[in-house]
Amino acid sequence: QKEVEQNSGPLSVPEGAIASLNCTYSDRGSQSFFWYRQYSGKSPELIMFIYSNGDKEDGRFTAQLNKASQYVSLLIRDSQPSDSATYLCAGSGGSYIPTFGRGTSLIVHP
Amino acid sequence: EAGVAQSPRYKIIEKRQSVAFWCNPISGHATLYWYQQILGQGPKLLIQFQNNGVVDDSQLPKDRFSAERLKGVDSTLKIQPAKLEDSAVYLCASSFGATPGEQYFGPGTRLTVT
Repeated sequence: QKEVEQNSGPLSVPEGAIASLNCTYSDRGSQSFFWYRQYSGKSPELIMFIYSNGDKEDGRFTAQLNKASQYVSLLIRDSQPSDSATYLCAGSGGSYIPTFGRGTSLIVHP
Repeated sequence: EAGVAQSPRYKIIEKRQSVAFWCNPISGHATLYWYQQILGQGPKLLIQFQNNGVVDDSQLPKDRFSAERLKGVDSTLKIQPAKLEDSAVYLCASSFGATPGEQYFGPGTRLTVT
């Protein structure tokens, strides 16, 4: 069974710090990975996607993918209280069927 | 651009009753997804449509859940009969192509089964 694992947290960081969110996956056939942010009571919204090994940067966000280790991470630089949310990691393989992790709760305190 | 529409937003039913949810995807989006999200968990894919064909429904409890996407546009998800463990948020999402990462989610329907 394809699984995406995330630590449920909460991960607590001070404002201005770097938040590091991690995700591992079991399906070696997974090719595409996505990070979604979900505020309490709201729907998930896409932050970033990554397909290739290495880093991908978009503003304060950096996604990292290591297919050999089956590991995906999301770094949030200069964390703000508005970044407090649950971050969902998702992966999909050649069939494009997405599998989500349970999410990591991030708390950014002033 | 209008987003994904879902209705109702909230529904409370008793166990063994039936319920239906409706979703209208973003115009032009060929792929439509229904997810179940139980509190504290990530979304679980129930069924994925490409136009009006089913791509995957391996996690849909077919003895009680059914879904259709007639004419390849809007979709309905039905539960009959409902169980207590069906209490969850039901999310509909759509994407232009087959790549799931570019999917946009609707506001969801919060179902409570008593």
